[in-house]
Amino acid sequence: DVKVTQSSRYLVKRTGEKVFLECVQDMDHENMFWYRQDPGLGLRLIYFSYDVKMKEKGDIPEGYSVSREKKERFSLILESASTNQTSMYLCASSLGHSGANVLTFGAGSRLTVL
Amino acid sequence: GENVEQHPSTLSVQEGDSAVIKCTYSDSASNYFPWYKQELGKRPQLIIDIRSNVGEKKDQRIAVTLNKTAKHFSLHITETQPEDSAVYFCAVTGGSYIPTFGRGTSLIVHP
Repeated sequence: DVKVTQSSRYLVKRTGEKVFLECVQDMDHENMFWYRQDPGLGLRLIYFSYDVKMKEKGDIPEGYSVSREKKERFSLILESASTNQTSMYLCASSLGHSGANVLTFGAGSRLTVL
Repeated sequence: GENVEQHPSTLSVQEGDSAVIKCTYSDSASNYFPWYKQELGKRPQLIIDIRSNVGEKKDQRIAVTLNKTAKHFSLHITETQPEDSAVYFCAVTGGSYIPTFGRGTSLIVHP
């Protein structure tokens, strides 16, 4: 029944390493999102994509990049991980481009950068 | 851009009491207002939503009310149960399809 799958639940990386977080959805959704969740700060949008090969910056894109080569897959890339990127990362998808879009979330990837 | 404020950040109630969480927003063009529940260690999931042409919506013990004039909407949970303990997020979507989330409310229901 899982519809949005994040490949890694827990990762531990070292400062300066390149990190890939993968997300796959099987609902043929147009939109995909990457959020960062930190206590007291809620869900902050890093990047989103409304179509294959299209990407838009969210509220906190610095230090991150994304890739969407196929409709079902949206990858978050940390080019050079830093300790302040230790966080929970949530991927989500939604159907179309109207306002009333319900987000389906993945289970999250908890990243620790040492 | 849209600014969403959610209060309180923490809410502690006794089982059977009611709980109310309120969100305010800034963009009068916003037209879709979902609420997500995130249980400990799990993913956020939609529990109820409301559109701008409706003032109230109910689903068993939960309800959402919307005041477009004042630009606020609230989640109401009646007869709270321990399994209602979770973090609740409000969200607002306007002309784009990109939701802006509140910071979340941690609801604790004491047996």
